[in-house]
Amino acid sequence: DQQVKQNSPSLSVQEGRISILNCDYTNSMFDYFLWYKKYPAEGPTFLISISSIKDKNEDGRFTVFLNKSAKHLSLHIVPSQPGDSAVYFCAASAGGSNYKLTFGKGTLLTVNP
Amino acid sequence: KAGVTQTPRYLIKTRGQQVTLSCSPISGHRSVSWYQQTPGQGLQFLFEYFSETQRNKGNFPGRFSGRQFSNSRSEMNVSTLELGDSALYLCASNPSGSSYNEQFFGPGTRLTVL
Repeated sequence: DQQVKQNSPSLSVQEGRISILNCDYTNSMFDYFLWYKKYPAEGPTFLISISSIKDKNEDGRFTVFLNKSAKHLSLHIVPSQPGDSAVYFCAASAGGSNYKLTFGKGTLLTVNP
Repeated sequence: KAGVTQTPRYLIKTRGQQVTLSCSPISGHRSVSWYQQTPGQGLQFLFEYFSETQRNKGNFPGRFSGRQFSNSRSEMNVSTLELGDSALYLCASNPSGSSYNEQFFGPGTRLTVL
């Protein structure tokens, strides 16, 4: 049973527009959520995170929103740039055991010039 | 500061063989986790080591094992390789494995089982 789901395998947006990547989770014990970006032949790179006590966290062009009641989070990238083209993974952890992350299967974002 | 390094980067083995992969964490990081990435299953947690002790293990068969040395370097071993073990194996390090620290990933080892 997949506890973290990214239902869109791919997303294509124009440069300068907003990219919205979505993630749903089923485990109520998850209390910390992270987004990672991955380029081919490289390991995932941490982007941004959010604790369950917050509903929004912002870092430059990246904002993560958390809706606990819906068990849903989203990553907004504004404005999108061609260099943002990568696979984005949503991940979650429970009870401070952040060394054990449960990942979604990823969304391939393509930003077209 | 150097990042997480993994060796080798690429490996080709045949069914039934065994393989050992190595991971050197970021200097000062004491927690090392291993993940398997496959196209069908995404990234799945294998196990985590902290101060030479395995603290948690994912749902993988006993053919997958690991260890950590006193300098925090870690190895994982897969015995009796199967075709389905072909994957990217990622290592991640964390300062202490405590709450709410992000994991820093290495570039991975691409294992192909023929």
